[in-house]
Formats: sequence, C-alpha cells, structure tokens
Amino acid sequence: DVKVTQSSRYLVKRTGEKVFLECVQDMDHENMFWYRQDPGLGLRLIYFSYDVKMKEKGDIPEGYSVSREKKERFSLILESASTNQTSMYLCASSYSGTIYYEQYFGPGTRLTVT
Amino acid sequence: AQTVTQSQPEMSVQEAETVTLSCTYDTSESDYYLFWYKQPPSRQMILVIRQEAYKQQNATENRFSVNFQKAAKSFSLKISDSQLGDAAMYFCAPSFQGAQKLVFGQGTRLTINP
Repeated sequence: DVKVTQSSRYLVKRTGEKVFLECVQDMDHENMFWYRQDPGLGLRLIYFSYDVKMKEKGDIPEGYSVSREKKERFSLILESASTNQTSMYLCASSYSGTIYYEQYFGPGTRLTVT
Repeated sequence: AQTVTQSQPEMSVQEAETVTLSCTYDTSESDYYLFWYKQPPSRQMILVIRQEAYKQQNATENRFSVNFQKAAKSFSLKISDSQLGDAAMYFCAPSFQGAQKLVFGQGTRLTINP
C-alpha cells in the first residue's frame, strides 16, 4: 500500500527558529514535492525534486530550502521562521515511469509560527 | 503561466442527490492530464479521477464522472448519489505537457446534508 508520512501533524515554533519538516515515502518514487496549503489559495508548490540531490524551485520558494540526500526522504527547511509561514504543509511523491504523474500525498503538517 | 480556477468556494447538496463542481483552466498546451483530488477533513488528499486531454470520452469512476470540454478549457466533476463520506475539499489539478508538476485550483468545500 502506498504510503507517504510526515514527521509531525502539528508543530508550533517561534519566530526566527530554524524548522525542519520531514517527508518519507516507501514507494521508491523518483519525484517528491512540498506544497503549502492556505484557505482560498489552494496548494502552491514550494520546491520539488526529480532525483536524489536534485531540486527545483516551485512557485513560492522564498524563505524555504530543501534537502534530498536519500531517495525516500525529502526535507523542507525554514531557515528563520516567520509568522507569514504559518500554514499547512503537504508533501507528495510520484513515479516518473508513468505518463499520468499521479501524486500521492502525506497527511500534512500544520505549522504555527508565533 | 497556466492558471486554474474553481469558481465555487463552497457547495452543498442533499444526500443521494447529484452535484457538479466546476473547474476552468488556461493553457496553450494541447497534450496534458487533468485530475480531481479529494481532501476529507483531517485526512490525506486522495485522487478521485483523472482525464487524458487527448481522449474525447469522459472519465468515470463509479459515482464520479467528469465533463471535459477541451475547447472551453473546462473540467467539471459530477458526483452522483452523494454520500456523507463525500464531504471534503475538492481540488482540480491539471498537469500540463512535459511537466510532472500539478497546478491546483483554489478548492471547493463540499457539504453533504443528511
């Protein structure tokens, strides 16, 4: 069964803290994605990765960085958290060997920055 | 840039009735895929249905079907015989040619009234 897990469901951090959000998939997928979900805005792509150590900016990369040292793990890093980064963060993965690009999602991490 | 619009932020329907969620998009591509995703309250995002743009036949999955109008760039989701478990946020998400990324609409929150 397909599985994408995220390290925390809920997280509260202080302004200026460095924050790590971890995502792990067990499907041997090449592609992994980080999204931010805000009411009325849908999901917006922050970063994605096509392969280990590969990364590309999405639509809203400012204030974020990522790391992919292993195929199954994709980390999102907030170098210095700010209140405007309070949001729901979703991780997803997909297989490159299909034309459908179906993405499988994790449960999400609701981050609050105070 | 490709854009996706879901013009109905909220919809409600009586149990057992039919509801249609609308989605329009803007692209100059001719070959792409379209997806509807469902996000139940506090649960993971899952794929509901997908449509290949080169296929004229509309996709169906049990009670879920799409009305794909390529010329009009419209991709609506019809849910027949609505059930309480259909209550969720629904996102329209095309994947345009050559891109493994999805572009998400703003979402429609569907409420099922018993």
